[in-house]
Amino acid sequence: KQEVTQIPAALSVPEGENLVLNCSFTDSAIYNLQWFRQDPGKGLTSLLLIQSSQREQTSGRLNASLDKSSGRSTLYIAASQPGDSATYLCAVRLGAAGNKLTFGGGTRVLVKP
Amino acid sequence: EAQVTQNPRYLITVTGKKLTVTCSQNMNHEYMSWYRQDPGLGLRQIYYSMNVEVTDKGDVPEGYKVSRKEKRNFPLILESPSPNQTSLYFCASSLSYIPGQGYEQYFGPGTRLTVT
Repeated sequence: KQEVTQIPAALSVPEGENLVLNCSFTDSAIYNLQWFRQDPGKGLTSLLLIQSSQREQTSGRLNASLDKSSGRSTLYIAASQPGDSATYLCAVRLGAAGNKLTFGGGTRVLVKP
Repeated sequence: EAQVTQNPRYLITVTGKKLTVTCSQNMNHEYMSWYRQDPGLGLRQIYYSMNVEVTDKGDVPEGYKVSRKEKRNFPLILESPSPNQTSLYFCASSLSYIPGQGYEQYFGPGTRLTVT
């Protein structure tokens, strides 16, 4: 059974510092991995999608890497801003389970001005 | 604007009173799904649908029903809600997958349900 873990559960950094968020998964036979942002009491906003054949994806200040063999993905957020404060979730899709996403528990990020 | 909408956004109800949470997407997506989010348990899939009239159970289907009569709509039905179904519910959609890769999933804004 696929398990997805995000460590740490919470992170606090001063504004301007780079953020590094980790995601690990137990079954390397994934089709893709998706990073989401969730603000308190709100829905999920998709940030980046990495296909299993890709090593990384970039969007603005965000960069996500994927290492299937080690079962890890890392989300980098450059030059953090207070507006980046949110919970970040990673989710993996296994081909054998249709389009089901298995989510990690999330990392709650606070960027202090 | 491409989006997934859910209604209602907030609902407080009593045990045993049937309710329906609607989900609609305007992106012509084949795949739709329901998740619930609970503290300490994260997001778990309830039901999913690969296309019209095709639905299947996710990880936590007990106490829920779904239907997919039209491509754009995927309602979640609680026939007899109980307090343990108090949760934050999300609907999601995406294009159907092709072997070896998958498409981005889009989530609705969530429905916060309280069952007393």
